[in-house]
Amino acid sequence: GAVVSQHPSWVICKSGTSVKIECRSLDFQATTMFWYRQFPKQSLMLMATSNEGSKATYEQGVEKDKFLINHASLTLSTLTVTSAHPEDSSFYICSATDFNSPLHFGNGTRLTVT
Amino acid sequence: GNSVTQMEGPVTLSEEAFLTINCTYTATGYPSLFWYVQYPGEGLQLLLKATKADDKGSNKGFEATYRKETTSFHLEKGSVQVSDSAVYFCALSGGYNKLIFGAGTRLAVHP
Repeated sequence: GAVVSQHPSWVICKSGTSVKIECRSLDFQATTMFWYRQFPKQSLMLMATSNEGSKATYEQGVEKDKFLINHASLTLSTLTVTSAHPEDSSFYICSATDFNSPLHFGNGTRLTVT
Repeated sequence: GNSVTQMEGPVTLSEEAFLTINCTYTATGYPSLFWYVQYPGEGLQLLLKATKADDKGSNKGFEATYRKETTSFHLEKGSVQVSDSAVYFCALSGGYNKLIFGAGTRLAVHP
């Protein structure tokens, strides 16, 4: 079945640095990818929707300059957390679709900012 | 706006017990409804879905019925197993695969 690979699975970084998270669709062309954030014991919050070749659409309250999303190809989207701070520590999850198949989720990336 | 409310966990059951996890929604129009499961250390997996009123989604012994009159999509299983221990998310889609999730309910099944 379709697989979405997310990398890294966990990362620890120092406050003020930037971190890039990759989301790849391995056996289908993902026309749309979604980025979610999951706080401990809470639900997934949709951060943004990215369509290949165009700018991402951010949900209300999500800082565009803090969370940079690039969807340069049909198999890769990246989320860069810029100038990370401890409050950015969270679990980030991507999902991908080509609209002909159900949504597929990556295994998530746990970010810890020290 | 669209939203999903599901019962708080954790839910702790003995093996072979009956499971119900309540889910209600608020939405404009006629959304599709989903249950996703997240096993420890894994990503979310689609468990079942229903796309219109009175549809029943089912998979792996789980089932849920889309009730428009009560705006509900409760998850049920007649006899749970230890391997069902996971976090279950109710979700709705207003279109374009954009999902709105509930808070998740952790299920722990003991032998």
